[in-house]
Amino acid sequence: ETGVTQTPRHLVMGMTNKKSLKCEQHLGHNAMYWYKQSAKKPLELMFVYNFKEQTENNSVPSRFSPECPNSSHLFLHLHTLQPEDSALYLCASSQDRADNEQFFGPGTRLTVL
Amino acid sequence: GENVEQHPSTLSVQEGDSAVIKCTYSDSASNYFPWYKQELGKRPQLIIDIRSNVGEKKDQRIAVTLNKTAKHFSLHITETQPEDSAVYFCAASNTGAGKSTFGDGTTLTVKP
Repeated sequence: ETGVTQTPRHLVMGMTNKKSLKCEQHLGHNAMYWYKQSAKKPLELMFVYNFKEQTENNSVPSRFSPECPNSSHLFLHLHTLQPEDSALYLCASSQDRADNEQFFGPGTRLTVL
Repeated sequence: GENVEQHPSTLSVQEGDSAVIKCTYSDSASNYFPWYKQELGKRPQLIIDIRSNVGEKKDQRIAVTLNKTAKHFSLHITETQPEDSAVYFCAASNTGAGKSTFGDGTTLTVKP
């Protein structure tokens, strides 16, 4: 499946590192999402972008910083993370609004040491 | 904001039996209710969805029912097979909210 891709697939970082997650969609969609998936909260919405504009920040700590340069690309910049931030980070896209099917990427498995 | 509750959290059935997963939502403005299936190590994928102008929708062994008055919707899987084993997520969204709210998932195990 190549509709929504994410890189890297796995990432191990220390608490003082700075890293970025990348998501790219080839479906012509205009809405993109970041989710955090962990045992504690299976699908936790973090950010929503619609036509490159951020429309939702679900009380996410500032150590997570999203960037959406265009409708096809979405980044999540990470800095000074905590071990409890270790999780699977899923990107998704949908055609325009949220009341349409969301297509998920394979996720980035993040481990913070 | 929207709140979605999903039950049960785990469900184990014998192959060939039926499985039912239920979700309730709080926002009466919600008008789109998808169900996603996530197999182990894979991404969530849509298996069926329903909009608020429809009470029931069926696709082969899978069906979804919606009760707008009671604000609940259910996923029904008949003649379950081992490959139906996965985590199932329900969600609710509306045009104005700009986002979907997901339930906490149900881990379905189908025993051969």
